[in-house]
Amino acid sequence: AQKITQTQPGMFVQEKEAVTLDCTYDTSDPSYGLFWYKQPSSGEMIFLIYQGSYDQQNATEGRYSLNFQKARKSANLVISASQLGDSAMYFCAMRERVFGNQFYFGTGTSLTVIP
Amino acid sequence: DAGVIQSPRHEVTEMGQEVTLRCKPISGHDYLFWYRQTMMRGLELLIYFNNNVPIDDSGMPEDRFSAKMPNASFSTLKIQPSEPRDSAVYFCASSLALFPWRETNTGELFFGEGSRLTVL
Repeated sequence: AQKITQTQPGMFVQEKEAVTLDCTYDTSDPSYGLFWYKQPSSGEMIFLIYQGSYDQQNATEGRYSLNFQKARKSANLVISASQLGDSAMYFCAMRERVFGNQFYFGTGTSLTVIP
Repeated sequence: DAGVIQSPRHEVTEMGQEVTLRCKPISGHDYLFWYRQTMMRGLELLIYFNNNVPIDDSGMPEDRFSAKMPNASFSTLKIQPSEPRDSAVYFCASSLALFPWRETNTGELFFGEGSRLTVL
């Protein structure tokens, strides 16, 4: 089974609108972390936001928020007020603590912001 | 603070040649990961180390690939002999261990800028 599933290969959003990028995960480890990374066309991997498995509240970082639904094993990224510079590839990732601190990445979602 | 440093940034070589990619992790980080990224296969984990010891190398494509971490501040990924299908961007990343019960995240992966390899 896939550890991280991102079902949206490509997404479009109008500038200034909000967009949700989907991510589901699979683990039996009670101690894990969920991460989102952004990869613009220039190629670098930029860390956006983190959610720990014990966190009670959804993580927020500026215009980014992580909609953490533990029972459903989903960790969707919400970007509010989209900007042209948000056009990039977005990767969801999970890290399991008990099972070797391994890192798993999804296949990514390509987001295009339309002016 | 310096981030993860990879070299070379770009490498063009001919099939059959040996390629060595280098990585200097962030000081104090005890995990080091090597990833390969291509359009076709996405981001693939090749190998990762904890305290210089390889933990999981199941992603290493075949015997042509080898990785070492002789000390906490240096790692190499070697391809010998190289083939055109090895053309990709190779990322090195380092981190501390994850402690999800802590308020402050310590498990984030810090990526280098990548080494773009082209094998002709």
